[in-house]
Amino acid sequence: GESVGLHLPTLSVQEGDNSIINCAYSNSASDYFIWYKQESGKGPQFIIDIRSNMDKRQGQRVTVLLNKTVKHLSLQIAATQPGDSAVYFCAEGGSQGNLIFGKGTKLSVKP
Amino acid sequence: GAGVSQTPSNKVTEKGKYVELRCDPISGHTALYWYRQSLGQGPEFLIYFQGTGAADDSGLPNDRFFAVRPEGSVSTLKIQRTERGDSAVYLCASSLYGATYTSPLHFGNGTRLTVT
Repeated sequence: GESVGLHLPTLSVQEGDNSIINCAYSNSASDYFIWYKQESGKGPQFIIDIRSNMDKRQGQRVTVLLNKTVKHLSLQIAATQPGDSAVYFCAEGGSQGNLIFGKGTKLSVKP
Repeated sequence: GAGVSQTPSNKVTEKGKYVELRCDPISGHTALYWYRQSLGQGPEFLIYFQGTGAADDSGLPNDRFFAVRPEGSVSTLKIQRTERGDSAVYLCASSLYGATYTSPLHFGNGTRLTVT
């Protein structure tokens, strides 16, 4: 069945360093992937998405990489800032336009 | 512009009571989704509306849960005979296209439901 998971539940980085958050998915037919950031007490906030016909997409300070061969997705955050501290979720597109979420990775940025 | 609005932000109820949670989606968004999020977990899909109709309710855990969207805008999630296991944050999201073209879901801040 469909499932989305994460390799690491927590990640701690120094301010200014780059962060890499990883995600594995199991449904090889998935064609849409998305990353969300969730701060305490708030709903998930859209960061960046990517379709399966691409292997890389860049935004402001963020890059998503998609490796369909090994069904792996990653989010790279450049020059990580304290404001980036949050839980990050990857999700894949379901058949009805809904999203299927993984458990999340908590990112902590040390000043 | 205004984002997805959910009310109330917090709801405490006694076991066995009935509750209603409200969602106001982003204006013009045709698709509306309800998710449930337990502590330390990712959001779990409950139900999806395209316009006024429930296109997929496969995520509703049992028949105590019901949702409506009578005019294709505001939606209400209704939970009957609440149980302590229903305690969670209930998230609403909307998107421009829904299943016709997968697009980002925009989430509200949720309603934290506590059943005592």
